[in-house]
Amino acid sequence: SQQGEEDPQALSIQEGENATMNCSYKTSINNLQWYRQNSGRGLVHLILIRSNEREKHSGRLRVTLDTSKKSSSLLITASRAADTASYFCATDTGANSKLTFGKGITLSVRP
Amino acid sequence: DVKVTQSSRYLVKRTGEKVFLECVQDMDHENMFWYRQDPGLGLRLIYFSYDVKMKEKGDIPEGYSVSREKKERFSLILESASTNQTSMYLCASSSTPSYNEQFFGPGTRLTVL
Repeated sequence: SQQGEEDPQALSIQEGENATMNCSYKTSINNLQWYRQNSGRGLVHLILIRSNEREKHSGRLRVTLDTSKKSSSLLITASRAADTASYFCATDTGANSKLTFGKGITLSVRP
Repeated sequence: DVKVTQSSRYLVKRTGEKVFLECVQDMDHENMFWYRQDPGLGLRLIYFSYDVKMKEKGDIPEGYSVSREKKERFSLILESASTNQTSMYLCASSSTPSYNEQFFGPGTRLTVL
């Protein structure tokens, strides 16, 4: 059962530009998380935002959450070639729920 | 440095073989997960364990079973491998509650011929 859906499916930008990725979901959530996956590797947790938060920062990452629109965005500022990866959003509905992952966005940062 | 390790990075098996994928975590996490990842389908949960000897079916448990005899180890078993089980298999662990941040292993790319 897919909850989060990322948009766009693929994004290609120049090094130094900002990258914005979006995630929409269908039902009310408890938390939303973003993960990164380098090619052929496991996922790495980037950031978690709770349903009562609107914005969160971590280094060059900025995440926003709009629960009225059931959407989140991940902004990577001043992108680097090393940011080339797939990015996934994951949501939970609290209690004993597990994470439900979206299908991912492929980000390519050209040197 | 926290770690989730998986027994193999690449595995090639024949149709009908019994396949064991092993996952070990060193973070004393209660929860462990097995996912498969296929192009265009994202991550899909196969099985989940929230304690030793406890397991729950995920979204796609058919054709798989699991074993958790020790807290740190979670095994995925393909009783009789089929070509449609060719995939990337990812193991993850988390502390309680089950929706906490998950730590992933490097993945096992399984090819069934």
